[in-house]
Amino acid sequence: DIQMTQSPSTLSAFVGDRVTITCRASQSISSWLAWYQQKPGKAPKLLIYKASSLETGVPSRFSGSGSGTEFTLTISSLQPDDFATYYCQQYNSYNTFGQGTKLEIK
Amino acid sequence: QVQLVESGGGVVQPGRSLRLSCAASGFTFSSYAMHWVRQAPGKGLEWVAVISYDGNYKKFADFVKGRFILSRDNSKNKVYVQMNSLRGEDTAVYYCARDRMDLAAFDIWGQGTMVTVSS
Repeated sequence: DIQMTQSPSTLSAFVGDRVTITCRASQSISSWLAWYQQKPGKAPKLLIYKASSLETGVPSRFSGSGSGTEFTLTISSLQPDDFATYYCQQYNSYNTFGQGTKLEIK
Repeated sequence: QVQLVESGGGVVQPGRSLRLSCAASGFTFSSYAMHWVRQAPGKGLEWVAVISYDGNYKKFADFVKGRFILSRDNSKNKVYVQMNSLRGEDTAVYYCARDRMDLAAFDIWGQGTMVTVSS
């Protein structure tokens, strides 16, 4: 099975900061990677698909990059609404999720 | 609007069964594969299973193989998961999600239904 590892597990940042979350796959998944945002008590929301494509309606401050085994999600200028938990997911086999990165206000 | 609504959650004793439903609206349900994803309290997302658009293909995570059964009724726009031999570790919020093969992602999620396995 393909394992997905996110880092860091927790990230503290200020409004306006640029932040990057990393996701590594245990084997190559080409560009079959998605990123989701989840707020407490809510369902996940799709942000990025195929590693770098922005889902409709998602602000352009979110961007994704990478291929193969290493991927990143970048938020260019944090807004108060962005403090949430972020998950990567591989779509190659068994749709495994990363363990999540909690983004907290500093 | 495009929507998924789960139902059927509750408290169940270990070893017993429960059936969850997911009702779809606002899109052509019969054209999409559907997934179940769960989230234990305070934990991350865990993929559970998928059923193809026509119900002919199903795939399960190892931890539910042989215990969970998937089905769908395209005439009712519903997908179901029959959960048998439930264990404490199955306690979680269960979400259904729409598969978008063209995006290689799950683009629509329900609000989730809580399943608690406890004596």
